[in-house]
Amino acid sequence: TQLLEQSPQFLSIQEGENLTVYCNSSSVFSSLQWYRQEPGEGPVLLVTVVTGGEVKKLKRLTFQFGDARKDSSLHITAAQPGDTGLYLCAGGGPDTGNQFYFGTGTSLTVIP
Amino acid sequence: NAGVTQTPKFQVLKTGQSMTLQCAQDMNHNSMYWYRQDPGMGLRLIYYSASEGTTDKGEVPNGYNVSRLNKREFSLRLESAAPSQTSVYFCASSGNLVGAGADTQYFGPGTRLTVL
Repeated sequence: TQLLEQSPQFLSIQEGENLTVYCNSSSVFSSLQWYRQEPGEGPVLLVTVVTGGEVKKLKRLTFQFGDARKDSSLHITAAQPGDTGLYLCAGGGPDTGNQFYFGTGTSLTVIP
Repeated sequence: NAGVTQTPKFQVLKTGQSMTLQCAQDMNHNSMYWYRQDPGMGLRLIYYSASEGTTDKGEVPNGYNVSRLNKREFSLRLESAAPSQTSVYFCASSGNLVGAGADTQYFGPGTRLTVL
């Protein structure tokens, strides 16, 4: 059961460009998390969004939670090679019995 | 504070062999999870333990068993390994974010398993 869909699946851009990654669901979640995973490592949490319409900024990364709490986006401004990695969204927590559901991920490559 | 640790990091098995993957967390989290990650499939939940003494099946539990040994440790056992179980296995734990009112997960570095 794939509750969360991410797009695009792959993204290759030049350093300095902007990009947006989307995470969509037909289900409502009390929170959504964004993770970044580098090759050979486990996912590392970037941010958790909790409130519908919430916007959080982490340096050049901007995260938005949809008003209906079914979707989220990640926008990166002026991408750098260090942003390269697999970006995963996940939803869940106490409202889903402490189960978390992951999207299939967006593989980002930033070319110097 | 090591977070979530997993052993081993790499393992090669022959079909039919058994093994146990170990996971421990030092963050006093109640919930722990085992996932597998395959190309193009994302992270899929195998089993989870919402609290010490309880375990529940996730999306892909067949061929696996788990034990929540205590609050810190959660192990995953393959009784008779099959090539379809070749994957990267991640353990995670979750606890409340202070002030955020939401649980989030912290992952271990993974175990790369190959079944021949």
